[in-house]
Amino acid sequence: DIQMTQSPSSLSASVGDRVTITCQASQDISNDLNWYQQKPGIAPKLLIYAASNLETGVPSRFSGGGSGTDFTIIISSLQPEDIATYYCQQYDTVPYTFGQGTKLEIK
Amino acid sequence: EVQLVESGGGLVQPGGSRRLSCAASGYTFSSYEINWVRQAPGKGLEWVSYISSSATTIYYADSVKGRFTVSRDNAKNSVYLQMNSLRAEDTAVYYCTRVGVGTFHYWGQGTLVTVSS
Repeated sequence: DIQMTQSPSSLSASVGDRVTITCQASQDISNDLNWYQQKPGIAPKLLIYAASNLETGVPSRFSGGGSGTDFTIIISSLQPEDIATYYCQQYDTVPYTFGQGTKLEIK
Repeated sequence: EVQLVESGGGLVQPGGSRRLSCAASGYTFSSYEINWVRQAPGKGLEWVSYISSSATTIYYADSVKGRFTVSRDNAKNSVYLQMNSLRAEDTAVYYCTRVGVGTFHYWGQGTLVTVSS
């Protein structure tokens, strides 16, 4: 199975900060990588698909990049409503696998 | 509007069975794959199962293989997850998701399955 490792596991930042979360795959997955946002008690929401494509309706302060084994999601200017846990997910190979999550908090 | 609604969760004893349902609306159900993803309390996301649009291709996570069975009824716009030989570690919120190219675009609200005596 492909292992997905996110860092950091938790992050505290201030409103307006630029925030970067990374995700590393245990083998080359090309750009078969998605990012999801999950708020407490609510189903995850797709933010970015195929590594760098913004899902319809997602604010442009979110962006994604990377290919192969190393990927990032960036929030250019953190907003209070961005407080959530973020997950990466690979779909290169079944079983689909998720990173362990990055919990983002406001400082 | 695409909607997915899970049902069937509840308390079940270890070794017992439970059948989850996922009712879809707002799109052409027979054209899309469906996956099940679960989340144990306070934990991360775990992919559970995949069923293709015509049910000709099915996959399972190793953790549920041989115990869970996914099926669909395109006439009823529904997908089912039959869970047998349940264990404490199967306790989770179970989500059904509509999939396109391995991407979980739409999610249901989830249904909680608790395995406990």
